[in-house]
Amino acid sequence: AQSVTQLDSQVPVFEEAPVELRCNYSSSVSVYLFWYVQYPNQGLQLLLKYLSGSTLVESINGFEAEFNKSQTSFHLRKPSVHISDTAEYFCAVSRRSGSARQLTFGSGTQLTVLP
Amino acid sequence: ETGVTQSPTHLIKTRGQQVTLRCSSQSGHNTVSWYQQALGQGPQFIFQYYREEENGRGNFPPRFSGLQFPNYSSELNVNALELDDSALYLCASSLGGSSYNEQFFGPGTRLTVL
Repeated sequence: AQSVTQLDSQVPVFEEAPVELRCNYSSSVSVYLFWYVQYPNQGLQLLLKYLSGSTLVESINGFEAEFNKSQTSFHLRKPSVHISDTAEYFCAVSRRSGSARQLTFGSGTQLTVLP
Repeated sequence: ETGVTQSPTHLIKTRGQQVTLRCSSQSGHNTVSWYQQALGQGPQFIFQYYREEENGRGNFPPRFSGLQFPNYSSELNVNALELDDSALYLCASSLGGSSYNEQFFGPGTRLTVL
């Protein structure tokens, strides 16, 4: 079975500081990995994904994540955060359930950017 | 191109009642997945429909059921509501048939069971 662990439930950080949100997964097979962001009272938006190829993936708004197979991690980083980055962030792994491909999510990390 | 829409936005029911939630998939998508997100937790997979057939199910009891229509919109039905069913219900659409299908989420329906 696959599972996802997000090690920090809350991460407060000052504006323009760097941030890292940690994610570890367990899987015995090759995986697809994702980071989603959820703003208050909204659904999930895909931030970035790892399917194959380069282990470093980037989003259009400055976030990046690195797939580390040996450490089974997919940590999310941003070198300089903005107030608008305040949101809940979910790490997820894609796995098969019958014929379906479902997402298994971590419990989330609340990122709060302070002025 | 319209995104995934869900209705209603909010819903309040009492224990034992039944509820139907609706989802319209993104244009061109033939697969719909439903997730339950309890307060303070990550979403949990309920089931997925592909071309009007259920093709995968998570660890949810049979009182959670669904439908997918020829236009690929979908319904989630929950019978005999319990207090623990209070959650945000998310619908996600995707284009099935490939080894990987990116899921696009709707804004969700907030269900409160009293």
